[in-house]
Amino acid sequence: SAVISQKPSRDICQRGTSLTIQCQVDSQVTMMFWYRQQPGQSLTLIATANQGSEATYESGFVIDKFPISRPNLTFSTLTVSNMSPEDSSIYLCSVKTVDAYEQYFGPGTRLTVT
Amino acid sequence: RKEVEQDPGPFNVPEGATVAFNCTYSNSASQSFFWYRQDCRKEPKLLMSVYSSGNEDGRFTAQLNRASQYISLLIRDSKLSDSATYLCVVNLPYGGSQGNLIFGKGTKLSVKP
Repeated sequence: SAVISQKPSRDICQRGTSLTIQCQVDSQVTMMFWYRQQPGQSLTLIATANQGSEATYESGFVIDKFPISRPNLTFSTLTVSNMSPEDSSIYLCSVKTVDAYEQYFGPGTRLTVT
Repeated sequence: RKEVEQDPGPFNVPEGATVAFNCTYSNSASQSFFWYRQDCRKEPKLLMSVYSSGNEDGRFTAQLNRASQYISLLIRDSKLSDSATYLCVVNLPYGGSQGNLIFGKGTKLSVKP
């Protein structure tokens, strides 16, 4: 499986500010995803990060709130914009290769908005 | 009906016990099925994929019944280190959200000495 790192691992931010989370993979992967796990809840897919084009967002998530970049096959960023306390969550990067069904997750970024 | 439903738990079992988790999914076109394990404050880690014929990995056995849209995980000879939340995960068919995993809420297992 790929080795996935995320930065930062955690942060405490004030409402109204933005935070950019980075995801780095040690090998080229075909698909990268961003998930959110709110306290006590399971994971929800935010969007699929597409290389060189706009991300594909799931229902309930929009580009203005969660802009995503993927400049190459090993790196992606997720920005949480104009944060509110409801954005307090763990944000996880996930990757998948073309020849496998399995997805693997990064260690997550624990975000607290005050 | 929720897309992926699991036993609510928690399951509190003694070491050495056998424990079974059940899961049902609503989308009959689902293609791939997995069990993930999530430790407290950690990311989910793939435990095993679930194949139509059923599969076993050491003390863990996973079964899939497509007709009933039902997945199970059996853990034999439970260890203290098995304590975690077990997530039933289904991969929707390719479409607008390729590779979209749908997660159940998880079942918490606590193995006691």
